[in-house]
Amino acid sequence: EAGVAQSPRYKIIEKRQSVAFWCNPISGHATLYWYQQILGQGPKLLIQFQNNGVVDDSQLPKDRFSAERLKGVDSTLKIQPAKLEDSAVYLCASSLDLLGELFFGEGSRLTVL
Amino acid sequence: TQLLEQSPQFLSIQEGENLTVYCNSSSVFSSLQWYRQEPGEGPVLLVTVVTGGEVKKLKRLTFQFGDARKDSSLHITAAQPGDTGLYLCAGGANQAGTALIFGKGTTLSVSS
Repeated sequence: EAGVAQSPRYKIIEKRQSVAFWCNPISGHATLYWYQQILGQGPKLLIQFQNNGVVDDSQLPKDRFSAERLKGVDSTLKIQPAKLEDSAVYLCASSLDLLGELFFGEGSRLTVL
Repeated sequence: TQLLEQSPQFLSIQEGENLTVYCNSSSVFSSLQWYRQEPGEGPVLLVTVVTGGEVKKLKRLTFQFGDARKDSSLHITAAQPGDTGLYLCAGGANQAGTALIFGKGTTLSVSS
């Protein structure tokens, strides 16, 4: 069974530029999560989708971050404009349903210079 | 806001030693999960505990959920270099469907 796929694995940008990350969850998983993991810290939830609806985006900095899951499968996370403090690993995870085990992708490492 | 505090933050030990990692909160959680994360990888689930006082064993790893469901511990017996990684505890809130809250993690290094 294929796992959660994320791309790109690494991205380096200048501050004030924009960046987009893509996630393809495990087939059949209704719930999709984006977490931000800053070096030395645990993952922090940015947004949670159930199918193509948002369940929780309370910690998403909406002035610069946006995320969508238009057809209830793939998802994209965008940052525009990026700040230095956005340097982190962006982890995508999926689960069968709201109570299911989370399966994480390898993450996308962002460096903002 | 529910928070999970993990201790110690870093642990460096020799192969064969035993260790315990702690996860504490002032809040009650409906469940507690432990993950291990290796460099360049996403976290991988080790265990889920849901009942206060529950103890689960996974080979050399023993997980315990506190009676009040506010804390948990992970004990590793006879640590091996392959146990090296970041250990994360994550709490499930009482509200169904609420996403997991993660602690900051414990970085374990086991040298041979």
